[in-house]
Amino acid sequence: AQSVAQPEDQVNVAEGNPLTVKCTYSVSGNPYLFWYVQYPNRGLQFLLKYITGDNLVKGSYGFEAEFNKSQTSFHLKKPSALVSDSALYFCAVRFYFNKFYFGSGTKLNVKP
Amino acid sequence: EPEVTQTPSHQVTQMGQEVILRCVPISNHLYFYWYRQILGQKVEFLVSFYNNEISEKSEIFDDQFSVERPDGSNFTLKIRSTKLEDSAMYFCASSGAGGGGLNTEAFFGQGTRLTVV
Repeated sequence: AQSVAQPEDQVNVAEGNPLTVKCTYSVSGNPYLFWYVQYPNRGLQFLLKYITGDNLVKGSYGFEAEFNKSQTSFHLKKPSALVSDSALYFCAVRFYFNKFYFGSGTKLNVKP
Repeated sequence: EPEVTQTPSHQVTQMGQEVILRCVPISNHLYFYWYRQILGQKVEFLVSFYNNEISEKSEIFDDQFSVERPDGSNFTLKIRSTKLEDSAMYFCASSGAGGGGLNTEAFFGQGTRLTVV
């Protein structure tokens, strides 16, 4: 069965430090992987995606994600966190022409 | 930049009443979705719609729910007889068909907060 997991409900990091938000997936076939961010009382905003090619993909607001096929992971990273990065982050995987499966979300807290 | 728009932003309804949530997807998109989120938690899939029919639905999407694309631009979610547990944020999303359809991200609206009292 296809699924996506975010093992951490919350990640705390100090401003200026690197951040990682973890995501692992379970799929049959090649995955199409996405990261979204949600600010309070807002919709989900697309950050980046992995389709094929380089394992390191770059997205909006300085975020990047590394696709690791052997570990079935797609962790979101940023070299230097900002307080304004504090939000809810969702990993998602898409199959065929149907739905996007979302992880349970990780709340990122960046402290000044 | 094109965007998905949803109306209303907030809907309060009495239990047992019918509600219709409206969405205008991005104009050249072909795949449409409804998701819901309770109290800022997990994003739950309700239904996907393609080529004027439902392509997949979840166990949440029971007979009380229906979707329609009445005029080629709007995409609506109807809940026939609302329950207290239907209170949630409902998100509409759409995605395009580039590259065979799989590699395109979904664009989400800002959501409709449904409160059933």
